[in-house]
Amino acid sequence: DAGVIQSPRHEVTEMGQEVTLRCKPISGHNSLFWYRQTMMRGLELLIYFNNNVPIDDSGMPEDRFSAKMPNASFSTLKIQPSEPRDSAVYFCASSFTGDYGYTFGSGTRLTVV
Amino acid sequence: TQLLEQSPQFLSIQEGENLTVYCNSSSVFSSLQWYRQEPGEGPVLLVTVVTGGEVKKLKRLTFQFGDARKDSSLHITAAQPGDTGLYLCAVSGSARQLTFGSGTQLTVLP
Repeated sequence: DAGVIQSPRHEVTEMGQEVTLRCKPISGHNSLFWYRQTMMRGLELLIYFNNNVPIDDSGMPEDRFSAKMPNASFSTLKIQPSEPRDSAVYFCASSFTGDYGYTFGSGTRLTVV
Repeated sequence: TQLLEQSPQFLSIQEGENLTVYCNSSSVFSSLQWYRQEPGEGPVLLVTVVTGGEVKKLKRLTFQFGDARKDSSLHITAAQPGDTGLYLCAVSGSARQLTFGSGTQLTVLP
């Protein structure tokens, strides 16, 4: 298995633009998590899905952020409009219910200028 | 207040030295995980501990879960430059969502 695949690896965009981050979880995993990592706040859980259904989005910073999981093999995290304070590394992770550990992707480094 | 407090925040040592990093909380957990994150990559699971007092070994790494299941430690023997990275502890919520500590950034100098 290729692991959790995220794209793009790097994204530089101007303030106000829409940004879409993509994630392909490991086949057979039924839980998917989006995290954001910054130096100041560490790893923060934004939202997670179980069997493609959003379970808890209380970590989403504000209405500018949205996430979807249209099927078991794909999820997106969208920021519209983007702001400089959204600059961070965004990670997607997946797991199988009953397993303790997550498998993380390599992340998307987002820079909003 | 952080749910998980990790210490030290930064640690720089010479190759061959031993070290211990800590993960502490005032809460009791059913399980605790340790991850290592290298630059430009996502965290990678090292171990899960579930029983109070449990000790697990992974080559030169020894993980211990406190008797009261509120804290954990990671000991590395004879550290090598390849051990350099950010060490994160994490605990599960009711729906298995993970909350991470702020991490210990370890640098092992050759």
